[in-house]
Amino acid sequence: AQTVTQSQPEMSVQEAETVTLSCTYDTSESNYYLFWYKQPPSRQMILVIRQEAYKQQNATENRFSVNFQKAAKSFSLKISDSQLGDTAMYFCAFISGGSQGNLIFGKGTKLSVKP
Amino acid sequence: EAGVAQSPRYKIIEKRQSVAFWCNPISGHATLYWYQQILGQGPKLLIQFQNNGVVDDSQLPKDRFSAERLKGVDSTLKIQPAKLEDSAVYLCASSFGGGSTDTQYFGPGTRLTVL
Repeated sequence: AQTVTQSQPEMSVQEAETVTLSCTYDTSESNYYLFWYKQPPSRQMILVIRQEAYKQQNATENRFSVNFQKAAKSFSLKISDSQLGDTAMYFCAFISGGSQGNLIFGKGTKLSVKP
Repeated sequence: EAGVAQSPRYKIIEKRQSVAFWCNPISGHATLYWYQQILGQGPKLLIQFQNNGVVDDSQLPKDRFSAERLKGVDSTLKIQPAKLEDSAVYLCASSFGGGSTDTQYFGPGTRLTVL
């Protein structure tokens, strides 16, 4: 069975600085996708970034980038130039390439951006 | 484009009572998901529909939970009778297709408290 582990329950960062959130996963499959979702307080979860396992190049979306280490089964999220609006729960998620759609989530990291 | 709508946003009931949640997915999305998010954990898939058929309900506690998606659009999730451990946020999500490559869009969730 696939598992997703986020070892940092809470983190904080000063506005405009850079922060990295960690995620590791366990799977025996070679075809899969990884995601980071953001869940702001009392607001809905939105997709931040996704990574296809077959792609060696790390995904980037504006201030958000990932460090995908397939052999180590590690998938960290880097947020550059942190903004107050980045304050949220961040969930790492995995989906098997052969899956119909069952996202498997980690327990989340609560990120606080301080002014 | 309107997002995924859910109601009610909050619900408080006593154990052994019944409760129902409603979800309206993004227009044109064939696949609808119900997730359970217990406090301090990531969401867990309860059931997935493709149009009005069930794709995956392996993690749905069928002795007390039921869900339907009549006409392949709106969906309701019911709990009868509720237990204390059912206290959670129930998230509805939808995607255009149903495969692992399709982005899932989440609603704001219904926060259920069982006393």
